Amino acid sequence: AQSVTQLGSHVSVSEGALVLLRCNYSSSVPPYLFWYVQYPNQGLQLLLKYTSAATLVKGINGFEAEFKKSETSFHLTKPSAHMSDAAEYFCAVSDQAGTYKYIFGTGTRLKVLA
Amino acid sequence: SQTIHQWPATLVQPVGSPLSLECTVEGTSNPNLYWYRQAAGRGLQLLFYSVGIGQISSEVPQNLSASRPQDRQFILSSKKLLLSDSGFYLCAWTFQGRTNSPLHFGNGTRLTVT
Repeated sequence: AQSVTQLGSHVSVSEGALVLLRCNYSSSVPPYLFWYVQYPNQGLQLLLKYTSAATLVKGINGFEAEFKKSETSFHLTKPSAHMSDAAEYFCAVSDQAGTYKYIFGTGTRLKVLA
Repeated sequence: SQTIHQWPATLVQPVGSPLSLECTVEGTSNPNLYWYRQAAGRGLQLLFYSVGIGQISSEVPQNLSASRPQDRQFILSSKKLLLSDSGFYLCAWTFQGRTNSPLHFGNGTRLTVT
């Protein structure tokens, strides 16, 4: 069964600094991976997705993620943090065992310091 | 384009009262539909999902139920709410049969059981 692990429930960065949010997956087949962002009292918004095409995936708001099979990772990065990036971020994998379930990590809350 | 509607946005209910949350999707046919719950400061818990009318898969709770009376309508219900049912409820959809398609979320319902 597929699973994802997000390391670090809270991450703080200074405005203008690099953002790095970590996600590792477990899957016996090539996974489909997703990153979402959630602002307070809102639903989740898709940032980007990996579906076995290019390993470096660019998303919205300047975010990107790199799929590394050797490290079973799909870390989310942004070169320069903005105050508006403060939110909770979720990594997810779709279950390809025919269940149509989507498995989410426990989330990382990003704080951006002025 | 597709849109998802979820209501109400907020709800305060006494313990023991019934619950009905509704979710509808427009602009696509036969979507896969999902109900998730977020407890305060925690990740997403999959409650129910449906791959077709009348087809409901339950992941967790005994106190909640789901129904899909129409192709693009998904309802979450309870006969008697518990304090532990408080949380943020999210409805989501994706394209039928496509595990590489991301979930698309509604704006959520904040339920407080008093």
